[in-house]
Amino acid sequence: ETGVTQTPRHLVMGMTNKKSLKCEQHLGHNAMYWYKQSAKKPLELMFVYSLEERVENNSVPSRFSPECPNSSHLFLHLHTLQPEDSALYLCASSQDGAGGTDEQFFGPGTRLTVL
Amino acid sequence: GENVEQHPSTLSVQEGDSAVIKCTYSDSASNYFPWYKQELGKRPQLIIDIRSNVGEKKDQRIAVTLNKTAKHFSLHITETQPEDSAVYFCAASIYSGAGSYQLTFGKGTKLSVIP
Repeated sequence: ETGVTQTPRHLVMGMTNKKSLKCEQHLGHNAMYWYKQSAKKPLELMFVYSLEERVENNSVPSRFSPECPNSSHLFLHLHTLQPEDSALYLCASSQDGAGGTDEQFFGPGTRLTVL
Repeated sequence: GENVEQHPSTLSVQEGDSAVIKCTYSDSASNYFPWYKQELGKRPQLIIDIRSNVGEKKDQRIAVTLNKTAKHFSLHITETQPEDSAVYFCAASIYSGAGSYQLTFGKGTKLSVIP
């Protein structure tokens, strides 16, 4: 595998379920990101990890919980989601540990549907 | 916080014509302006970027211009081809504290190139 990979690619869950999204980057980058992409809305930054430390949390509801065990892996733990959380969740990574100052490489995304 | 406005939301051009997409940003401290292309069902990919110390940058058929005084930047695609059909996102980077930067994205422009 090369670049940024995400699993699963599609996920359907009920509002009471607990699930996790996984992201892995094979680029040796120092920063990783979670974005939410909804129809007709801009890409929304959710979380930023730089060198495995969380540096940004853009007022995301607590039902989303990120985890970065090492510089190559990023998780997004989901629990008691709402239907409006249905969206494409994109993971990205960049070389620069400072965040949004250079190219971000995106994964293919996880299409999440909350019933 | 930073606010990025992108226009138009949709754009149709004849093959061979030029396409221009414009973005404005609100924070004069923004210093990095990337453009991403997202084809249907695929991940966003960087096509060109510009930093605040440069007024124009060109890469083959693609160019970006930046007017810091007016706080706007534009993407120019010349000699458009059907494979240019995609959604294009602009973004602006702003220092968000604690040594980190954050990208704020526009809502996207759906470009259709008609053969």
